[in-house]
Amino acid sequence: DQQVKQNSPSLSVQEGRISILNCDYTNSMFDYFLWYKKYPAEGPTFLISISSIKDKNEDGRFTVFLNKSAKHLSLHIVPSQPGDSAVYFCAATTNSGNTPLVFGKGTRLSVIA
Amino acid sequence: GAVVSQHPSWVICKSGTSVKIECRSLDFQATTMFWYRQFPKQSLMLMATSNEGSKATYEQGVEKDKFLINHASLTLSTLTVTSAHPEDSSFYICSARRGGGGPHADTQYFGPGTRLTVL
Repeated sequence: DQQVKQNSPSLSVQEGRISILNCDYTNSMFDYFLWYKKYPAEGPTFLISISSIKDKNEDGRFTVFLNKSAKHLSLHIVPSQPGDSAVYFCAATTNSGNTPLVFGKGTRLSVIA
Repeated sequence: GAVVSQHPSWVICKSGTSVKIECRSLDFQATTMFWYRQFPKQSLMLMATSNEGSKATYEQGVEKDKFLINHASLTLSTLTVTSAHPEDSSFYICSARRGGGGPHADTQYFGPGTRLTVL
């Protein structure tokens, strides 16, 4: 049973446009969500996170939106740059204790110049 | 930013030998460290959760006698793949969960990964 789902395995966007990566979760106990970026043969790099008490968090070109009622979150990258091309993982956890992250399967973003 | 290192970054070994991978949080204390394995074109698979000074908690299907985890301090965890076989070849990634307070407490930061190839 996949608790965190990224239904789009890949996404292509033109440079300068907005990239929107989506993520859905099923476990209502999750209250802390993170996005990671990963290049091949490297560890994931933390991008941005959001707590369930918020519905939006912004950091530079990256904005994460959380819709708790729909159990859906999205990562917006604007403007997209070729260097953003990577695999993006959505992850969820509970904020208490030492709960491991539950990852989605990732979405490969290609930003075309 | 928070930095997590792994050593070695890649290793090739003969079947039957043991390999130790180190994971260090360089500029913060990690209340918990996690070990993941990634197969080609797949997501990260959690292997075990490691708390400093206590035994690791292994996920279902992960052999604890094969993948030995030691968490000696708040900044160091090691994964030893014992009697490695070709099917253990994979990309192993650790993460460290930042403790204490502050805006990034409880965020996990990942190491760069270790590519293990067993011949």
